[in-house]
Amino acid sequence: AQSVTQLGSHVSVSEGALVLLRCNYSSSVPPYLFWYVQYPNQGLQLLLKYTSAATLVKGINGFEAEFKKSETSFHLTKPSAHMSDAAEYFCAVTADTGRRALTFGSGTRLQVQP
Amino acid sequence: NAGVTQTPKFQVLKTGQSMTLQCAQDMNHNSMYWYRQDPGMGLRLIYYSASEGTTDKGEVPNGYNVSRLNKREFSLRLESAAPSQTSVYFCASSGRGGLARETQYFGPGTRLLVL
Repeated sequence: AQSVTQLGSHVSVSEGALVLLRCNYSSSVPPYLFWYVQYPNQGLQLLLKYTSAATLVKGINGFEAEFKKSETSFHLTKPSAHMSDAAEYFCAVTADTGRRALTFGSGTRLQVQP
Repeated sequence: NAGVTQTPKFQVLKTGQSMTLQCAQDMNHNSMYWYRQDPGMGLRLIYYSASEGTTDKGEVPNGYNVSRLNKREFSLRLESAAPSQTSVYFCASSGRGGLARETQYFGPGTRLLVL
């Protein structure tokens, strides 16, 4: 079984500041890790995913995440926040064994202040 | 391509009423999923279908049934709605290969209010 913990249900940054959204996972087998973004009243859109190739993964809209096995982490970063980044972000995990559906974290709402 | 479509977008039910949420995908995907989203809890898996003709329970299946009508369509039925089923429901699909690492694509959601 897998699980995901997202530290901080709300994060607020200033426009132009670094964005750091934290995700820690638990998995007894090699995981696949995903970050999704949800804008208000919309579905989820994939930002990036780790599937056991490069540990530093680059995604859309300038986001990237680094898989750190020793820390069981997959934190999402962006060097400079834009107002359009305001949304809810979900980290999710799955694996090749058992049920292959995603297990989601509880989400982090990102606010970007002007 | 429309991707994943869901109907209806919004529904209000009274306790005890039944309804079916419809989902269709046009990406020739094998796997389809139903999730519910509640505040502060992320998305939780209700049911999934790894391929046409198969369905399995997820984390929160009680009070729901599903039908994989064909490769394109996966419906979710509430036989007797309860206020605890007030939520936003998302359908997703993935994988021509049915592999865990394949991206899941989500529909726009159905907002359900049970009074």
